[in-house]
Amino acid sequence: DQQVKQNSPSLSVQEGRISILNCDYTNSMFDYFLWYKKYPAEGPTFLISISSIKDKNEDGRFTVFLNKSAKHLSLHIVPSQPGDSAVYFCAAGGGSNYKLTFGKGTLLTVNP
Amino acid sequence: GAGVSQTPSNKVTEKGKYVELRCDPISGHTALYWYRQSLGQGPEFLIYFQGTGAADDSGLPNDRFFAVRPEGSVSTLKIQRTERGDSAVYLCASSLMGGGGNTIYFGEGSWLTVV
Repeated sequence: DQQVKQNSPSLSVQEGRISILNCDYTNSMFDYFLWYKKYPAEGPTFLISISSIKDKNEDGRFTVFLNKSAKHLSLHIVPSQPGDSAVYFCAAGGGSNYKLTFGKGTLLTVNP
Repeated sequence: GAGVSQTPSNKVTEKGKYVELRCDPISGHTALYWYRQSLGQGPEFLIYFQGTGAADDSGLPNDRFFAVRPEGSVSTLKIQRTERGDSAVYLCASSLMGGGGNTIYFGEGSWLTVV
């Protein structure tokens, strides 16, 4: 039973356009959400997070939106750059639960 | 160090052998985690340490897997009688404190291949 789902295994975007990566979750106990970026042969790198008391968090070119009623979050990257090409993982944690549950990832390719 | 450090970065071992993977967390981080990532999957939780004690080892797949953190800093993940199915990237991570809302920072991983 996958509690965090990233339904798009891959996404291709033109440089300068917006990239939108989506994530759905099923566990209503999750209240803290993170996005990690992973290059080949490296560990996941923390990108941005959001707690359930917010519906939006922005950091430079990266914005995460949370829709609690739909149990859905998305990561927007604008403008997209070729260096953004990587696998993006959505992760969720709940309350005092330190464990993170990850999705399977979405491979983003930004074409020059 | 500046980030989470893991050694070895790559390990190839024969089926049935014993393996140790080491993790040096970010200085000052009290919480340490081990995750495992198989091909095509996201990282999966194995074990969490708060200080020296394993607060939760419910993600360890079976009793061939064991981890220690004797002084509350460096941790070692130990795998006995390795099997081909153990082949994966073993990721160590740390956070300033345990508990929800604390950002978890990952190392580059130890790639284990069991042949």
